[in-house]
Amino acid sequence: QQPVQSPQAVILREGEDAVINCSSSKALYSVHWYRQKHGEAPVFLMILLKGGEQKGHDKISASFNEKKQQSSLYLTASQLSYSGTYFCGTERANTGFQKLVFGTGTRLLVSP
Amino acid sequence: NAGVTQTPKFQVLKTGQSMTLQCAQDMNHEYMSWYRQDPGMGLRLIHYSVGAGITDQGEVPNGYNVSRSTTEDFPLRLLSAAPSQTSVYFCASSYGGGELFFGEGSRLTVL
Repeated sequence: QQPVQSPQAVILREGEDAVINCSSSKALYSVHWYRQKHGEAPVFLMILLKGGEQKGHDKISASFNEKKQQSSLYLTASQLSYSGTYFCGTERANTGFQKLVFGTGTRLLVSP
Repeated sequence: NAGVTQTPKFQVLKTGQSMTLQCAQDMNHEYMSWYRQDPGMGLRLIHYSVGAGITDQGEVPNGYNVSRSTTEDFPLRLLSAAPSQTSVYFCASSYGGGELFFGEGSRLTVL
């Protein structure tokens, strides 16, 4: 089952913040976040493992609430280069190996 | 390192034809997988492999076959192409369940 992402699309002005959410109905082992620009392959941003950790990558960070099976991606002081489609990928607990299922994506457009 | 290499990048097939999408990685990754990407559907897992000789089905396996005879290669076979298989296909690999490295994609059109 695909995780559910929200919102489906976001339009920002440069310098504004955004939050993208990802939720699953199943117990999760990990959540991955990727960004894809038009016509290109997805590019890895970060992985969060169960344990409620939070990670950061420059001005992009994420959290994972294991109890709620939810993850959020935080984009701070957005830059034009942040534009693209963001996907969360979830790995269910107790599957024993990586079977990553992706959400349908959130389109982010950052304008000057 | 070339990373993950997919061929061909573009392909047009007629309904009923068969073909193989090639995927090779030179990072000695255990895990390899195939995804298809359709507008509004995100990335959907077709098949995956956790090592040579081991494959399993993903979310949308029907109409596709895979095999993994070596660590490096993970070809995806379309047995009898249908218009519903028109899509962009991505091969990906990872080490130990970590970051997925994607190939550049193969755009397939079935007429």
